[in-house]
Amino acid sequence: GAGVSQSPSNKVTEKGKDVELRCDPISGHTALYWYRQSLGQGLEFLIYFQGNSAPDKSGLPSDRFSAERTGGSVSTLTIQRTQQEDSAVYLCASSFPGGSYNEQFFGPGTRLTVL
Amino acid sequence: KNEVEQSPQNLTAQEGEFITINCSYSVGISALHWLQQHPGGGIVSLFMLSSGKKKHGRLIATINIQEKHSSLHITASHPRDSAVYICAVRKYSGTYKYIFGTGTRLKVLA
Repeated sequence: GAGVSQSPSNKVTEKGKDVELRCDPISGHTALYWYRQSLGQGLEFLIYFQGNSAPDKSGLPSDRFSAERTGGSVSTLTIQRTQQEDSAVYLCASSFPGGSYNEQFFGPGTRLTVL
Repeated sequence: KNEVEQSPQNLTAQEGEFITINCSYSVGISALHWLQQHPGGGIVSLFMLSSGKKKHGRLIATINIQEKHSSLHITASHPRDSAVYICAVRKYSGTYKYIFGTGTRLKVLA
């Protein structure tokens, strides 16, 4: 079956513009995570969804970042008024219910470059 | 000090060598994951541990909860094992937040 997909694969934008990043999880996976990997940095947790609700948004770096999930499936991460420090690879992962007790399947990521 | 520390940061080995990558953490955890990130950037989950030891093919992962330490071993290493290996922990609390180590970059030479 299909794995986790993300779109776009690459996004170049100008400082101050808004961007939307999309994640399609594996069918049946109710847990969904967003992570960020900046150049030369480790992975950073952003937000966790269980179904359509986000019980943990503690990793979102500022109020310019928001995410939603509809129908317990597709999720969108929105960054408003992008800044150069937002440049990173944004990764999505999904798993069966149970949070940390189940294997996470990662998408290929979206590489965001803010000029 | 990072809550999750990995060592070594970089490792070069000859094909066939036994490899050990270490992960130490300073917080109470509910689970620990080992991830593999290929040179192209794709990430694969290798193991999820909450206690004991797991084995998959040539990979073995162990965890000592009392010592807050986990190891990833690769037996009979091969050039295709070249990747970045990342340790991730979920804190033992009401959070779903994962904390990641900075990774160990492994290069296996033929």
